[in-house]
Amino acid sequence: NAGVTQTPKFQVLKTGQSMTLQCAQDMNHNSMYWYRQDPGMGLRLIYYSASEGTTDKGEVPNGYNVSRLNKREFSLRLESAAPSQTSVYFCASSRGLDYGYTFGSGTRLTVV
Amino acid sequence: DAKTTQPPSMDCAEGRAANLPCNHSTISGNEYVYWYRQIHSQGPQYIIHGLKNNETNEMASLIITEDRKSSTLILPHATLRDTAVYYCIEGSARQLTFGSGTQLTVLP
Repeated sequence: NAGVTQTPKFQVLKTGQSMTLQCAQDMNHNSMYWYRQDPGMGLRLIYYSASEGTTDKGEVPNGYNVSRLNKREFSLRLESAAPSQTSVYFCASSRGLDYGYTFGSGTRLTVV
Repeated sequence: DAKTTQPPSMDCAEGRAANLPCNHSTISGNEYVYWYRQIHSQGPQYIIHGLKNNETNEMASLIITEDRKSSTLILPHATLRDTAVYYCIEGSARQLTFGSGTQLTVLP
């Protein structure tokens, strides 16, 4: 039972490049989330998907897009990477409202 | 901005109970209190959550005051592996806002 799997684990991008961060869960969870964590700070919600077919903005959505491809997969896309997007990105899933999250191990992204 | 207040750091002796306080004075009636921890740079780990009543699971106990304005997470027998940042969060599972948390250091 893998839980929440994020790929890649590390990535270096040049300013202006695009990339997609992948996230998949095998727990049949309804809700999925993308967070970012900057050094020494707490996590901030970028986007979430309460259920398959729906997505909503979180606290810091600018510069990002998401796709809930199916119940298992929720991807995060950076169309034109900026140095301010250097961060650790965490994907999470939950059975739904009132349940705890299961987090992935993170993607460490550096934009130069 | 995070809506909870936690001490930035605490120490605890190995084998003793760790009691982590949290103030959430703006919590509304239908919002839960969630506790997570993050060990070094790993993904956060869910610990426990509650609405009104005290809760206990295999990891910890959660004590919520009657007015729901504060809570305490109790790790009954802290080990070195419990050294982590502990986050207390109020809200719905739809949007959890993580603050700075409490750095708990368990000392040998």
